[in-house]
Amino acid sequence: GNSVTQMEGPVTLSEEAFLTINCTYTATGYPSLFWYVQYPGEGLQLLLKATKADDKGSNKGFEATYRKETTSFHLEKGSVQVSDSAVYFCARRVDSSYKLIFGSGTRLLVRP
Amino acid sequence: DTEVTQTPKHLVMGMTNKKSLKCEQHMGHRAMYWYKQKAKKPPELMFVYSYEKLSINESVPSRFSPECPNSSLLNLHLHALQPEDSALYLCASSLSWRTGSTDTQYFGPGTRLTVL
Repeated sequence: GNSVTQMEGPVTLSEEAFLTINCTYTATGYPSLFWYVQYPGEGLQLLLKATKADDKGSNKGFEATYRKETTSFHLEKGSVQVSDSAVYFCARRVDSSYKLIFGSGTRLLVRP
Repeated sequence: DTEVTQTPKHLVMGMTNKKSLKCEQHMGHRAMYWYKQKAKKPPELMFVYSYEKLSINESVPSRFSPECPNSSLLNLHLHALQPEDSALYLCASSLSWRTGSTDTQYFGPGTRLTVL
């Protein structure tokens, strides 16, 4: 089937801690993969993307690597800030679909 | 510039009102989308326009009526809504909507709708 699974939140970290948010997908092809971030009261912003296996997307200190072997696209950041507190959505699109399929979202709360 | 703008930011309406949501982009994108997002849930696709023609309607009730007057504008006309229609309505656009595309969808900030 076609789905995206994210780790349950909320994730609570102290400032400067290391962040990992897990994301795995199922697909029959090789979908483009995305991470979107939604700050409180706002719409979705594209954080990063990868379009083929072994691609690494990066932006604002966040990184995610497209792992075909493990069908994963985990989001990482070496040192989180309070301003990173938001909901993070993993998403995928496959060639045969017009849709973006979203994961359920993971809320991140970073404490000073 | 990857900006999609939406107005109004907030909207409160009664069940007998008629209102419209507006979305605009000037990136030359030819595909535009409406999504509905309930609290603590991911966005759900409602409509897709490609080259100003409605391509996809995800079985949305007729009280939601989309319109694409030109390549930069997308409207969502609302009539006789129900309280359960209260949600954040997001507009998005991408360069194209062709199968096989890896085009990125860019989202606007959304309109928060409350139906009383």
